[in-house]
Amino acid sequence: DQQVKQNSPSLSVQEGRISILNCDYTNSMFDYFLWYKKYPAEGPTFLISISSIKDKNEDGRFTVFLNKSAKHLSLHIVPSQPGDSAVYFCAAKSNNQGGKLIFGQGTELSVKP
Amino acid sequence: KAGVTQTPRYLIKTRGQQVTLSCSPISGHRSVSWYQQTPGQGLQFLFEYFSETQRNKGNFPGRFSGRQFSNSRSEMNVSTLELGDSALYLCASRGGLDTGELFFGEGSRLTVL
Repeated sequence: DQQVKQNSPSLSVQEGRISILNCDYTNSMFDYFLWYKKYPAEGPTFLISISSIKDKNEDGRFTVFLNKSAKHLSLHIVPSQPGDSAVYFCAAKSNNQGGKLIFGQGTELSVKP
Repeated sequence: KAGVTQTPRYLIKTRGQQVTLSCSPISGHRSVSWYQQTPGQGLQFLFEYFSETQRNKGNFPGRFSGRQFSNSRSEMNVSTLELGDSALYLCASRGGLDTGELFFGEGSRLTVL
């Protein structure tokens, strides 16, 4: 039972354009969502998060949008840079599961110069 | 501030053997989680320890076990290894149980032959 889904395994974007990575979830108990970025041979690094009481959170070039009614969140990267090329994981947490994070399968973003 | 340290980084075992992986969290962090990453499956939660107590456990067989020491360092053990246990095992730490952000180590790449 995949509670967090990233349906696009890969995405290719031109440098300077917008990258939009999508994530869907099924568990309405999730109250906190995070995005992680992972380079090969490295562990995932935290990028940005959003609480379920908000619908948008912005940090520099990165913005996360949450649509609770659709159980959908997205990560926007504007403008995209070649260094953003990595695998992006969305993750979700619910209050009644302690610190456990449920991760999606990941989307590999390639930003072409 | 040193990050999360995992040892060994790479190891090769044969079926039926057992393996122990080690994780040193960020100084001051008391929560340690373990995740398994396999291609196409994202990160699967194994377990979380806080103050030497297992707080949460994922859906893995009993061959997977872990523990946490008084200095917050953690080990995970996999007994009777199977080919399907080949994966990247990631350790992550956080300051407390409720803080959503996890800080990951670089992982231990296990290959089972």
